[in-house]
Amino acid sequence: GNSVTQMEGPVTLSEEAFLTINCTYTATGYPSLFWYVQYPGEGLQLLLKATKADDKGSNKGFEATYRKETTSFHLEKGSVQVSDSAVYFCALSDPSGGYQKVTFGTGTKLQVIP
Amino acid sequence: DADVTQTPRNRITKTGKRIMLECSQTKGHDRMYWYRQDPGLGLRLIYYSFDVKDINKGEISDGYSVSRQAQAKFSLSLESAIPNQTALYFCATSDRRTGGSYNEQFFGPGTRLTVL
Repeated sequence: GNSVTQMEGPVTLSEEAFLTINCTYTATGYPSLFWYVQYPGEGLQLLLKATKADDKGSNKGFEATYRKETTSFHLEKGSVQVSDSAVYFCALSDPSGGYQKVTFGTGTKLQVIP
Repeated sequence: DADVTQTPRNRITKTGKRIMLECSQTKGHDRMYWYRQDPGLGLRLIYYSFDVKDINKGEISDGYSVSRQAQAKFSLSLESAIPNQTALYFCATSDRRTGGSYNEQFFGPGTRLTVL
C-alpha cells in the first residue's frame, strides 16, 4: 500500500533560519505529491503540489521538488517567519485503482521563534 | 467566499451517546470526505462520498456512519460514542472536474470531539 513518512517534530527554528522538512513516500502508481499546512485552530490548506517527476511546487516562499529516484518531496524555505509556525503535512494522491486516494503523513510541527 | 463549514466546532459528550457532526460546503464540489486527526497518527479517512448515491468506507469506518443528504451536506454519526473516538474531525471536499488527477482537497475548520 501507499505510505508517507515525514520527519518527526517539533522543529524549532529562529526567525530567518533555513527550513527543511523531509518527506519520503511509497506508492504503487505514479502519484501526485502535496504539502498541506495547518495553522493553529484551522483546517488543512494546500501549500503546494507537484504532479510528475522533477516538477517543483512553490508557494509563499516554500518549495518542494518531486524526486522519483529517491521517492522524496522535501519541503524547504530559505528564511522562515514567525507566521510560518504551523503543522505541515506531506501527502500523496495515487490514481491507481481508479480512485485518487490521498494518503497523509503524520505531520511535522514547526515553531519559529523571534 | 465558497467555503466548507462544520458544526459544532467543539463537543463534549459521554460514553454511549449518539453524536452527529455536520458538514456543509458552498464550493459546488461533488466529492466529500470525513477524516479524524490524532496526535502522531496524522489524518485517517473514515468515509468518503463521490455523490449523493455513492458512499464508501475509508480505513477506519468501524463505529461511524454517514449520510449524504444533498450534494452540499455530508454528516458523520457516532452511534454510541466511546472515549477512543476523542479526536479532531475534519470534513473535506474535492472536485472531480477541476481537481483533475490530483484530488486536491479543501478542508473545513474541524470539530474537536471529547468523549468522557
